[in-house]
Amino acid sequence: DAGVTQSPTHLIKTRGQQVTLRCSPKSGHDTVSWYQQALGQGPQFIFQYYEEEERQRGNFPDRFSGHQFPNYSSELNVNALLLGDSALYLCASSLAAGPRGGYTFGSGTRLTVV
Amino acid sequence: RKEVEQDPGPFNVPEGATVAFNCTYSNSASQSFFWYRQDCRKEPKLLMSVYSSGNEDGRFTAQLNRASQYISLLIRDSKLSDSATYLCVVRLNTNAGKSTFGDGTTLTVKP
Repeated sequence: DAGVTQSPTHLIKTRGQQVTLRCSPKSGHDTVSWYQQALGQGPQFIFQYYEEEERQRGNFPDRFSGHQFPNYSSELNVNALLLGDSALYLCASSLAAGPRGGYTFGSGTRLTVV
Repeated sequence: RKEVEQDPGPFNVPEGATVAFNCTYSNSASQSFFWYRQDCRKEPKLLMSVYSSGNEDGRFTAQLNRASQYISLLIRDSKLSDSATYLCVVRLNTNAGKSTFGDGTTLTVKP
């Protein structure tokens, strides 16, 4: 049973560039949430996708956008990268109609902006 | 004030010790509660859900006090492998919407 798959695992970008991160949810899961985790902090909610629509959004600027595809996989796009965007980006999948349960996380994409 | 607050620690305990972590949350309408474990430079992994009546999973016991908006995690007979950061997580809805994470409490279990 495949877990959550994220790609790439590491990425180095230059300030001002754009980046796309990808996520395939756990088999059977239909909801994808994206989180940003800076060093020494807990994961911060970026947004959640369900049925190909953004269901909820955290306090992140419009430079952060996403998409969910019919196969439930998802992309996170960040435009005009800032040094402060350097972080671990985590994708979490869950089942919307399932019992009260938590997330399954991917191993993350470590983004460094230089 | 943060939505979910935890004592960052670190907690340094000997093997076999009992250790307790606390967490408070600000939104009284929150419905779902969890503890996650995160090893260094790894992804968080669900440790256990927290139910109103309290629940136990082996050496781990979680408690919820809705009146005080307080969650706890007790680890008995600590093992070296318990060394990690423990994240308290709160969700407004039962199944949908964002989960809010605390910044975590770091535990180091020493021989």
